[in-house]
Amino acid sequence: NAGVTQTPKFQVLKTGQSMTLQCAQDMNHNSMYWYRQDPGMGLRLIYYSASEGTTDKGEVPNGYNVSRLNKREFSLRLESAAPSQTSVYFCAGQGTMTNTGELFFGEGSRLTVL
Amino acid sequence: KQEVTQIPAALSVPEGENLVLNCSFTDSAIYNLQWFRQDPGKGLTSLLLIQSSQREQTSGRLNASLDKSSGRSTLYIAASQPGDSATYLCAVKDGGYNKLIFGAGTRLAVHP
Repeated sequence: NAGVTQTPKFQVLKTGQSMTLQCAQDMNHNSMYWYRQDPGMGLRLIYYSASEGTTDKGEVPNGYNVSRLNKREFSLRLESAAPSQTSVYFCAGQGTMTNTGELFFGEGSRLTVL
Repeated sequence: KQEVTQIPAALSVPEGENLVLNCSFTDSAIYNLQWFRQDPGKGLTSLLLIQSSQREQTSGRLNASLDKSSGRSTLYIAASQPGDSATYLCAVKDGGYNKLIFGAGTRLAVHP
């Protein structure tokens, strides 16, 4: 039982390059989230998926796209990376409204855009 | 728009002290509130989750309280230890919205 797994853990991109951050969970969560964390700003929600096949924008969705491929996987794509997207990205999973709603996080993906 | 504030931003204390970390939120219509711990370079670990109908939750030396009407939560750490050094974040889940809003965190250092 690995929980929430993110890949890659580290990535360096040049401006304009594209890449996809992968997230997989084995905890049977319905909801999954992508956050970014920047110094002094806490975590900000990029996109979330309340269930398989649905996605919604969070606070800072510009420059990102997501795919909820199945219940286990939720990927985040940067089509044309910009230096402002240098950040630490966290994926999280959460149960249904009928249980506690506790959120479980991956270890993070550290992205640098030059 | 829900906003979450944590005070203080940083705290340095000697080992053994009892600590109170504060979290305030602007909209009292929350579904739950969750406290997390984050070690440097790591992800977030859930410490305590308080449902909107609850007043407090306890786990070991940690106690979290919730006062929805005043928009406040406190995390109480008893008999602090150097191993408690980390950043502590609170997050509220808006009622009706399936997402958490985070505070910026309190960075705690407990020295021997």
